[in-house]
Amino acid sequence: QKEVEQDPGPLSVPEGAIVSLNCTYSNSAFQYFMWYRQYSRKGPELLMYTYSSGNKEDGRFTAQVDKSSKYISLFIRDSQPSDSATYLCAMSAGTGRRALTFGSGTRLQVQP
Amino acid sequence: TAGITQAPTSQILAAGRSMTLRCTQDMRHNAMYWYRQDLGLGLRLIHYSNTAGTTGKGEVPDGYSVSRANTDDFPLTLASAVPSQTSVYFCASSPDSNQPQHFGDGTRLSIL
Repeated sequence: QKEVEQDPGPLSVPEGAIVSLNCTYSNSAFQYFMWYRQYSRKGPELLMYTYSSGNKEDGRFTAQVDKSSKYISLFIRDSQPSDSATYLCAMSAGTGRRALTFGSGTRLQVQP
Repeated sequence: TAGITQAPTSQILAAGRSMTLRCTQDMRHNAMYWYRQDLGLGLRLIHYSNTAGTTGKGEVPDGYSVSRANTDDFPLTLASAVPSQTSVYFCASSPDSNQPQHFGDGTRLSIL
């Protein structure tokens, strides 16, 4: 079983929809949580960075962390065709731990 | 702002040949990383460096070597390439090992 599980999709939604992307994890030591967006033939781009449990909002994006359930989510409001990309969750235990553990990514398609 | 520059962008290499993938960052980040990205497996850490002059092994280090002679450069060398090293290679950096990582746009490497 992978340490971080993420549904590969593809997830297809109409423009303007609210998108929910999720990851589950098994390592209770994880306390730093990130979401990256990756366009085709490009490197991952950091979208959101949160520490421990709770919510964080940045424009149309909201990240949620529920450490008790080992579950993290990324919500995209008013989705746009330009949001079409692969979304990767990543997490680490922090405190000098150098490695990020990534989910395998969810491919999102926003239809105009 | 250039950020992280990787070269070459793509390469086809005969099995048994050696190759060095280049990575340069202009953000004066202390920590640098090399990942490979394979379909269904996500991003996996090959090697990392927390500061210039130090390196460490990641999850999949076999067949790869790195050096960190200065802050800006972190080359990855394949001494004798094998077909299983066909992948997309990403270099990343972060201000220190506890901060989110920023990625280059990758090198697509095919070993025949």
